Amino acid sequence: AQSVTQLGSHVSVSEGALVLLRCNYSSSVPPYLFWYVQYPNQGLQLLLKYTSAATLVKGINGFEAEFKKSETSFHLTKPSAHMSDAAEYFCAVSPTNTGNQFYFGTGTSLTVIP
Amino acid sequence: EPEVTQTPSHQVTQMGQEVILRCVPISNHLYFYWYRQILGQKVEFLVSFYNNEISEKSEIFDDQFSVERPDGSNFTLKIRSTKLEDSAMYFCASSEARGGTGELFFGEGSRLTVL
Repeated sequence: AQSVTQLGSHVSVSEGALVLLRCNYSSSVPPYLFWYVQYPNQGLQLLLKYTSAATLVKGINGFEAEFKKSETSFHLTKPSAHMSDAAEYFCAVSPTNTGNQFYFGTGTSLTVIP
Repeated sequence: EPEVTQTPSHQVTQMGQEVILRCVPISNHLYFYWYRQILGQKVEFLVSFYNNEISEKSEIFDDQFSVERPDGSNFTLKIRSTKLEDSAMYFCASSEARGGTGELFFGEGSRLTVL
């Protein structure tokens, strides 16, 4: 069975500070992993994805994530938070060998303090 | 930039009424999906659709739910007799390729409120 756990439903950082949003997955086979962002009153937008190539994945808006198989983690980071980063962030997993479902975490709401 | 569009953005209905949520996927995409998010909970998979038939569905997608692609552009989700617990944000998504190999493009969602 596939599942995703996002630790921390709410994260607050100061503008310019490091952003770290945590995601752990459970999967019986190596999955594909994704981070999506949702700005207020908008749909889900892909930030980045891991599909078994490089373990450090760079995405849009300065975000990156590192796939660590030993820790079953795919944490999202950004060196310096910007006010425009305030949004809801969702980690998702898709098994590589079965079907075409995406399994989402419960989301982390990021607040950036000026 | 191509996008997935959903209508209505918000619908309020009485329990027991039928609801149809509409989606226009990106035109060259082949795979279509419905997800829902109950307030404060996970985004949950409902159903995927390919080649004019359901390819996968979750336990949530029971006999009260149906999907249809009535023409070349629309993809609809019908809830036959709404229940209070159907209140949620419903997201439509489409992709060029199957599963994790293809990015899902999401619409802005349709908020359904069942009274």
